[in-house]
Amino acid sequence: KAGVTQTPRYLIKTRGQQVTLSCSPISGHRSVSWYQQTPGQGLQFLFEYFSETQRNKGNFPGRFSGRQFSNSRSEMNVSTLELGDSALYLCASSPGLAGLADTQYFGPGTRLTVL
Amino acid sequence: AQSVTQLDSQVPVFEEAPVELRCNYSSSVSVYLFWYVQYPNQGLQLLLKYLSGSTLVKGINGFEAEFNKSQTSFHLRKPSVHISDTAEYFCAVSEGVQNGGFKTIFGAGTRLFVKA
Repeated sequence: KAGVTQTPRYLIKTRGQQVTLSCSPISGHRSVSWYQQTPGQGLQFLFEYFSETQRNKGNFPGRFSGRQFSNSRSEMNVSTLELGDSALYLCASSPGLAGLADTQYFGPGTRLTVL
Repeated sequence: AQSVTQLDSQVPVFEEAPVELRCNYSSSVSVYLFWYVQYPNQGLQLLLKYLSGSTLVKGINGFEAEFNKSQTSFHLRKPSVHISDTAEYFCAVSEGVQNGGFKTIFGAGTRLFVKA
């Protein structure tokens, strides 16, 4: 099976712009989670989707949003970008059958740089 | 809320020496614990996980971890490391919510540096 793919791999934006990141999960996986990784804050949970429904959300401002499509592909959007949004954004998919006991499979990430 | 503490930010070790990466967690409910590895410019890969049963868990690449409920620890060990084990290692715990959703809480990471 193909792994989790994320597009684009690298992105450069300026403050105030918005950005959309895409994640294609492993075929058959129904749960998709997003994480932000920065040197200062480490890995922080953004949100988790299952069957097009957001089931859990981390402590991020409303500028961060996401959605999941019927084919389980997911997108996350960040509006009004700030310098502090520069990070590696990781997507992870899991089968969704075992919930919190599931193994998550991570994509390579999208490196977002905000200038 | 659960939390994860990785006690060492960096661990330098010589090739073929044993290594232990320490992890402590806080939780008042059932615990599901994970160790992930991240190689440079890559995503995370699962090394091993503890769900229940035997407290000694074996994973990929010769790694193993021991769950200790009384000490709330889940330390990762390898008896003999290779240069290729140089990477960042993350301990993590899963936390569930009522609707079946979950989130994974990661420790700050331990950078393992294997020297020749």
